[in-house]
Amino acid sequence: GAVVSQHPSWVICKSGTSVKIECRSLDFQATTMFWYRQFPKQSLMLMATSNEGSKATYEQGVEKDKFLINHASLTLSTLTVTSAHPEDSSFYICSATGIRALTGELFFGEGSRLTVL
Amino acid sequence: SQQGEEDPQALSIQEGENATMNCSYKTSINNLQWYRQNSGRGLVHLILIRSNEREKHSGRLRVTLDTSKKSSSLLITASRAADTASYFCATDNKLVFGAGTILRVKS
Repeated sequence: GAVVSQHPSWVICKSGTSVKIECRSLDFQATTMFWYRQFPKQSLMLMATSNEGSKATYEQGVEKDKFLINHASLTLSTLTVTSAHPEDSSFYICSATGIRALTGELFFGEGSRLTVL
Repeated sequence: SQQGEEDPQALSIQEGENATMNCSYKTSINNLQWYRQNSGRGLVHLILIRSNEREKHSGRLRVTLDTSKKSSSLLITASRAADTASYFCATDNKLVFGAGTILRVKS
């Protein structure tokens, strides 16, 4: 299957700092990327949908100024958690779909575990 | 709100047994997908079934879809310890996942 790479796989930061997570589609053009957040033993919560070259669409309750999403190219989307606080600690997962995935299949990154101290 | 809801929440079986988990959804769909997640990892796509299909097979996996009941089931036959994971269903409209079924296969 297609490969989606997510980086970093884990990060620890101090409260108040910003953290950037990258999501790359390595072998296909990702016209749409999704960002999810997952708490322990819970489901994935869709945070936002980003289409290449346009502004991300955020789900209800997700602060767009807190979670900045950029999808500048067909292979890269970034999620920046600004002024991170301990409650932002979570597992963040991206997924991508594109021209290859005509059926709507999603290809997921391995996730990024954020711990805010 | 979640589109898909899986049950049971957790399932523990012996290696070699079959595992069945169910998914119910709320609105009409074009397709329904099943994913697997190993602890602390990303999700892996298992199988997709379209709304005009009733059953689909892939290796040891069998998926059924009943659009009148808005439900789907995933059957894993001859389970292995390596099948231990969380399983999620997702529908196409919103790509919203249910809480998942945690499957534990004991060897």
